[in-house]
Amino acid sequence: SQQGEEDPQALSIQEGENATMNCSYKTSINNLQWYRQNSGRGLVHLILIRSNEREKHSGRLRVTLDTSKKSSSLLITASRAADTASYFCATDDNYGQNFVFGPGTRLSVLP
Amino acid sequence: EAGVAQSPRYKIIEKRQSVAFWCNPISGHATLYWYQQILGQGPKLLIQFQNNGVVDDSQLPKDRFSAERLKGVDSTLKIQPAKLEDSAVYLCASSLDRTSNEQYFGPGTRLTVT
Repeated sequence: SQQGEEDPQALSIQEGENATMNCSYKTSINNLQWYRQNSGRGLVHLILIRSNEREKHSGRLRVTLDTSKKSSSLLITASRAADTASYFCATDDNYGQNFVFGPGTRLSVLP
Repeated sequence: EAGVAQSPRYKIIEKRQSVAFWCNPISGHATLYWYQQILGQGPKLLIQFQNNGVVDDSQLPKDRFSAERLKGVDSTLKIQPAKLEDSAVYLCASSLDRTSNEQYFGPGTRLTVT
């Protein structure tokens, strides 16, 4: 069964607003990563958070991880039209294996 | 630094034909991954190599899919014979090693099976 599940499936916001996407998983993990995919292109790594970390920042991105709830959130602040893309969470196990991607959240940022 | 290269970018074949995809990872990256991404879904890991050895191929349909990375550098993924449900984008990714985890993706090969 799929490990990561993002919600919402689709999100539409105005430029300048914040966007929050959530990811839930089922079994214990080693790391959780977030990737972005622009239409018709490969995935781009955004941020990695390890199982012993609770929060991480990178530019306008903020990721939190709650291992007790088996969930993570990705916050994009002050969104731009260029942030329009699909966002995926991915998890792996303690051996650096069993990579599982969620179905993704499609974000549309309207100018 | 050159990225992950994949070819071809697009391929259209008829069902029951065979097809092969090629991937050249970032130089020095020991770990190589092949994913299948069906339209509207997240990527699904097919096989993971560490150098020229297979680490995880639990989701590879071995009756029709095969992959190799003979010299621990570039890799090929083959489908024989193809089915309609194999229509998808096939993504190759590489990482420095299994523990570094950050994966760099190629542009993918879009396969259409008619």
